[in-house]
This record gives sequence, C-alpha cells and structure tokens, in this order.
Amino acid sequence: RKEVEQDPGPFNVPEGATVAFNCTYSNSASQSFFWYRQDCRKEPKLLMSVYSSGNEDGRFTAQLNRASQYISLLIRDSKLSDSATYLCVVIPARRDDKIIFGKGTRLHILP
Amino acid sequence: DAGVIQSPRHEVTEMGQEVTLRCKPISGHNSLFWYRQTMMRGLELLIYFNNNVPIDDSGMPEDRFSAKMPNASFSTLKIQPSEPRDSAVYFCASFQYGYGYTFGSGTRLTVV
Repeated sequence: RKEVEQDPGPFNVPEGATVAFNCTYSNSASQSFFWYRQDCRKEPKLLMSVYSSGNEDGRFTAQLNRASQYISLLIRDSKLSDSATYLCVVIPARRDDKIIFGKGTRLHILP
Repeated sequence: DAGVIQSPRHEVTEMGQEVTLRCKPISGHNSLFWYRQTMMRGLELLIYFNNNVPIDDSGMPEDRFSAKMPNASFSTLKIQPSEPRDSAVYFCASFQYGYGYTFGSGTRLTVV
C-alpha cells in the first residue's frame, strides 16, 4: 500500500449533492490528520483537522477510521465554490518520520 | 502575522542559469518545508528543517538542488544549473504541531 493514497478523481457532482472521498494511509502509528483544500494555481490551505471522534464544520464532516486506516471528508449541499482539489495530510507519531501529503482528489461541482 | 512569505512569485529563466527561491516562515514555527508541485507528481517534499537544521533531504532530486536555513526567519532553495524539467511550483510551508501547515503562495518557476 502506498504511504498515503487518494482517488485523483475528478469527481463531477451536481450542485446541492453530497459527496464523500477517502484517504488511506499505511503507517498505523500515524498521529494526526488534516484535510487541505487547494484552488487552481493557489497554495493549499487548511480546511479542517480530523479528530478520532470525527468533527463537523458546517457542511463539512471529517472522520477517522483507525482500524481500516483511512480518513474521509463529506461535503453536504455542495456549492460551486467547493470546486477544488482536496489533499489529505498524515502526521506521524514520531517526529523524525516523514509527513505525507496525498496527491489530492479533484472535485468539480456542476451547476 | 503576514503568513509564510515567498519570493519571487514567478521566475522565468534560461536553462543553465542559477535560480534562488526565498522563504520567510511564520515566526515561532519550528519546522520549514520545501515542496515542489507538478500536475504529474503532485506535491513532493524536497527537504525540511527542524529548528533550522536539515532533517530529511531525501526528496532533493539531485546535487543541482541545495537548501539552507541560516536562521529561524529565512530559508533559500537554490537550483544550479537549472533545467527545463525543474519547471514547477515550489512551495515553502512552515509547520507547528497542533496547528498544521501554513503554505506560502509559491514560486512558479519556468525554465526555458
């Protein structure tokens, strides 16, 4: 299994729909996880952290499944402005282990 | 805080020339990362520093690439000599445990 793996997409989703995508990781000792959003020709920006208990921020819900070693991002009532690439980041428990970014999942919200 | 500041925003240079990219991290962040992003390979970690000390440079493609962090507020990534395949967006990011990454706006490098 690759260290961090994401479906590259693109996911083409009609406006108002719900969309979810996952990010799998191989290092079972990974400590913390984040979702980043990257718009075209811009830098990645923090979208949300992923907590063991799951967390929700408005239309966005992030979940962690340690047993199956993946994190998920769910977007409800999708907006045109949600179109972007979503990258997951996996932070290892050991500070000298490498921090890994996924290659991202492209999301296109269709009007 | 002004965030992570990178310069230049765009750089076009001829093959064989030296290129120097600059980064000012967020004050108080302990770690600084240099990434390269292309469509084909996504975000690739080149090198990172903890407390100004290079920890992992295994991502540096070859000897033409070098990075320094002479103090906590400044880092450079140098490519000498540059080649067309180095064309990419180069991001600098500072990192603090508990807060995650903050990226600079990137330097779009084109080597012709």
